[in-house]
Amino acid sequence: EADIYQTPRYLVIGTGKKITLECSQTMGHDKMYWYQQDPGMELHLIHYSYGVNSTEKGDLSSESTVSRIRTEHFPLTLESARPSHTSQYLCASSVGGQTYGYTFGSGTRLTVV
Amino acid sequence: QKEVEQNSGPLSVPEGAIASLNCTYSDRGSQSFFWYRQYSGKSPELIMSIYSNGDKEDGRFTAQLNKASQYVSLLIRDSQPSDSATYLCAGRYGGATNKLIFGTGTLLAVQP
Repeated sequence: EADIYQTPRYLVIGTGKKITLECSQTMGHDKMYWYQQDPGMELHLIHYSYGVNSTEKGDLSSESTVSRIRTEHFPLTLESARPSHTSQYLCASSVGGQTYGYTFGSGTRLTVV
Repeated sequence: QKEVEQNSGPLSVPEGAIASLNCTYSDRGSQSFFWYRQYSGKSPELIMSIYSNGDKEDGRFTAQLNKASQYVSLLIRDSQPSDSATYLCAGRYGGATNKLIFGTGTLLAVQP
């Protein structure tokens, strides 16, 4: 059973709309991450957080923004969606320490028309 | 040069054979390594982790790490069609970042 939840699972939205992709985890993990992945392509880190009120941009430039007001919640917002934002967005979390991997949510597949 | 490199494949093996997936990394600071399985349209799922030189076995899966050669591999014994997926190798670095660096993944196709 998943301990990290993403909603919605699928979203089709018009150009120019503001959207927020939700990610919550119940494991008490300090570290959370957002990845973007196009079909058949590699994962790209777009945002990460090491704790409450800590957010950093990832390796891939993104027009999205994130916030981390509570440990368990790490939403991603697009102020004005464009067709180029069409992709799968994956949220992940982990504890600190080098022996731990990430746990991924089920993802949100976003289509901007 | 990417920090974690994998052959994109596809790697095609017959059912029941051993599938061997390989990964090399460039940074000797990498402390631990992880193998994820990702089915098409799904999110990555952690299947193995390894931190020490040598082999680590879990069921049909064996992870191998050679830090001197900067090489990580995943062996899948008795491959099944349900093993067909993309396998992602990831290395975790120490220090403040502590992030996973993912390879691009190898597509495995197990032929019935």
